[in-house]
Amino acid sequence: KNQVEQSPQSLIILEGKNCTLQCNYTVSPFSNLRWYKQDTGRGPVSLTIMTFSENTKSNGRYTATLDADTKQSSLHITASQLSDSASYICVVSPYTDKLIFGTGTRLQVFP
Amino acid sequence: KAGVTQTPRYLIKTRGQQVTLSCSPISGHRSVSWYQQTPGQGLQFLFEYFSETQRNKGNFPGRFSGRQFSNSRSEMNVSTLELGDSALYLCASSPNSGTNIQYFGAGTRLSVL
Repeated sequence: KNQVEQSPQSLIILEGKNCTLQCNYTVSPFSNLRWYKQDTGRGPVSLTIMTFSENTKSNGRYTATLDADTKQSSLHITASQLSDSASYICVVSPYTDKLIFGTGTRLQVFP
Repeated sequence: KAGVTQTPRYLIKTRGQQVTLSCSPISGHRSVSWYQQTPGQGLQFLFEYFSETQRNKGNFPGRFSGRQFSNSRSEMNVSTLELGDSALYLCASSPNSGTNIQYFGAGTRLSVL
């Protein structure tokens, strides 16, 4: 069964610190893996999209990595800011099926 | 370029009623997908419309239906509302069906009392 699991469920960090969010998936084969940021009360916004052949993709202070062999992805946030407080959702796109969403990691950044 | 617009933003209904949600995609986008988001389940795919045809459907009961108009605007209808239908309903638009890029609207928050 195609699944996407994210950890931790929630995370609290201090402003300025780095953090890493994890995404493990069983989807195979897949076309691409995406990370979305969702602010409270808003729709998700795409941060990165990686195909199975890409290892890393950056978007400002956000860096996503992908290990297709171990079926793991991570999202690293550098020098966190208060505005990084949001839910981060990992999404895997199979070739022949609809998108598979993880349940997300809720990140809270405190001053 | 205007983003994806969903109306209304908030809605309160009672059990047994029906509701219609609207989504206007980004200009030029022909694919519209609908999702239900609840705290425990995360984002669940409802259906996708492309060129007025339903292309894909998730595992939801027949009470959930949708349609797309010739201008790509889409509506989602839920009949005989249940308490468990309380959720954030998100619409996402894409240039074409199956494309990598999806742009989400802010969603409609539905509360069923």
